[in-house]
Amino acid sequence: DAGVTQSPTHLIKTRGQQVTLRCSPKSGHDTVSWYQQALGQGPQFIFQYYEEEERQRGNFPDRFSGHQFPNYSSELNVNALLLGDSALYLCASSLGQSRQAFFGQGTRLTVV
Amino acid sequence: AQKITQTQPGMFVQEKEAVTLDCTYDTSDQSYGLFWYKQPSSGEMIFLIYQGSYDEQNATEGRYSLNFQKARKSANLVISASQLGDSAMYFCAMRDLSGGGADGLTFGKGTHLIIQP
Repeated sequence: DAGVTQSPTHLIKTRGQQVTLRCSPKSGHDTVSWYQQALGQGPQFIFQYYEEEERQRGNFPDRFSGHQFPNYSSELNVNALLLGDSALYLCASSLGQSRQAFFGQGTRLTVV
Repeated sequence: AQKITQTQPGMFVQEKEAVTLDCTYDTSDQSYGLFWYKQPSSGEMIFLIYQGSYDEQNATEGRYSLNFQKARKSANLVISASQLGDSAMYFCAMRDLSGGGADGLTFGKGTHLIIQP
């Protein structure tokens, strides 16, 4: 049984560019959340998707957007990249609001 | 707003000793959940243990136990008989459960635990 998978694992982008990160949830899970983890910090909640809709959002600008597909997979899009967007981006999946969320290994984004 | 405070940036512990990782939290919510995650250098967050705000018993999962003191807003993680493989970053987190649980997790800054042979 595959866990949460994220792609790509590493990515280098230039300031001002746009990036799309992908997440496939654990089999049977229908809820996907995205987190940003800057170096030396704990993860920060970006948003959560359920039934293809954004259900809750953290304190992130509109440059951060997402999407959930009918198969529950999800994308995180970041426009007009800034140097400060360099971070590990983690995806977590769960079944509804069950207490245990499973995380992927993350995508490490470097903006130069 | 919720806040998690982990006051130990790093800890060195001898193998086979017990270790306590501190976590205090602040919230105005009545119904919430407390979590501990382990993050090895690979980056994946591994769920360790959960405690609900209304759970009367302290949670235990194998070598992990959560020392929950609600009045002090404390949720310390205790690892018994530490092993070399326990070396990693450890994060305390919480989530409001009153609004259908759609809120994301709020994490602390973590504690870097190093187990020495």
